[in-house]
Amino acid sequence: QVQLQESGPGLVKPSQTLSLTCTVSSGSIRSGGFYWGWIRQHPGKGLEWIGHIYFSGNTYYSSSLKSRVTISVDTSKNQFSLNLTSVTAADTAMYYCARVKMATTNFFDYWGQGTLVTVSS
Amino acid sequence: QSVLTQPPSVSAAPGQKVTISCSGASSNIGTNYVSWYQQFPGTAPKLLIYDDDERPSGIPDRFSGSKSGTSATLGITGLHTGDEADYYCGTWDNTLSIYVFGTGTKVTVL
Repeated sequence: QVQLQESGPGLVKPSQTLSLTCTVSSGSIRSGGFYWGWIRQHPGKGLEWIGHIYFSGNTYYSSSLKSRVTISVDTSKNQFSLNLTSVTAADTAMYYCARVKMATTNFFDYWGQGTLVTVSS
Repeated sequence: QSVLTQPPSVSAAPGQKVTISCSGASSNIGTNYVSWYQQFPGTAPKLLIYDDDERPSGIPDRFSGSKSGTSATLGITGLHTGDEADYYCGTWDNTLSIYVFGTGTKVTVL
């Protein structure tokens, strides 16, 4: 069973860059038909999609975050990463990584446990 | 802001049935498969239904999904306290080229 684990700083200062990594185990990030995605959830709020990446580097991003988001993949480490620039308190949220089945369909079948990122000076 | 609308909450007595609606548009639900996620407080969401009405291995048949036009529905029968959680629908939107989640519904067992 595929497992995902988020890692990265739990505290980021305003205007800085939030950087998180998701390590995939018990499965290859190069698996065909699967993208790898990031989702966040503000405290007490609903789920917000951030973006997906394929192992080849093809990406899709949320239109509201597109100007500040970069998702990258490192197939040698079986990891993918999220960079979110110029963060503010509004970026304080639980960040989840997930595997995305994406072909004729789109759904998140495996999720990481999530990591809380707080933006504060 | 979400383009998929769900009722904020639904409730029913133990053993009863609840349904959760997810209303969208032709560019999302009307064209693409819908999935549903269950989230308990403090935990990651879990896939409950995919491709409108398919259950992943291990999901009991008390959970069911359906879709008609631009709306999807999650049904939970034989409700018990262990089903108290937040439920989200989700799908791809072709016009916006983004994945969209529903606003979320809290299920309460009375």
